[in-house]
Amino acid sequence: AQTVTQSQPEMSVQEAETVTLSCTYDTSESDYYLFWYKQPPSRQMILVIRQEAYKQQNATENRFSVNFQKAAKSFSLKISDSQLGDAAMYFCAYRTLYSGGSNYKLTFGKGTLLTVNP
Amino acid sequence: DSGVTQTPKHLITATGQRVTLRCSPRSGDLSVYWYQQSLDQGLQFLIQYYNGEERAKGNILERFSAQQFPDLHSELNLSSLELGDSALYFCASSYRTGAETQYFGPGTRLLVL
Repeated sequence: AQTVTQSQPEMSVQEAETVTLSCTYDTSESDYYLFWYKQPPSRQMILVIRQEAYKQQNATENRFSVNFQKAAKSFSLKISDSQLGDAAMYFCAYRTLYSGGSNYKLTFGKGTLLTVNP
Repeated sequence: DSGVTQTPKHLITATGQRVTLRCSPRSGDLSVYWYQQSLDQGLQFLIQYYNGEERAKGNILERFSAQQFPDLHSELNLSSLELGDSALYFCASSYRTGAETQYFGPGTRLLVL
């Protein structure tokens, strides 16, 4: 079974600075998806960024980028120019690419609570 | 706004009772997933439906059941409720069962007293 580990329960960053959230995962599969979801105080789960394991290029969405190291099974999220609205719980998630049993569930880490200081 | 709707937003009930949580997927999405978020278990997958058929089960208790209707909305039924069932229940949807991204609804917060 796949597991996702977020080793930083809490992180803080100054407004306009850069912060990196860590995620490692364990899988025997070669093809899969990785995601970062954001959960602000409203509790809504918002997709931040997605990475396909078969793509070598790291995904980027505006101020959000990932550092995907497939061999190391590492998937970190970098937030540049941090804003007060970035304060939230961030979850790393794994999903298989192909499932013979049609189970495309997301497996989540425990989350990292990000505080942005003005 | 993800386009996924869930009702009710909040639910307070007593132990032993039964409740129904409702989810409407994004327009055009055929697949619905249910997740439970609790303090001790984190975010866990419960069950998945695709076009009316159950496709996968996760850590779903026997006291819980779900279904997806012809109009593609889904309901999660929780019965014989216990204090430990208090959690945030999310519904997510995607176009195909294997589509890359699941879009989450706002969740239903269940409190069992």
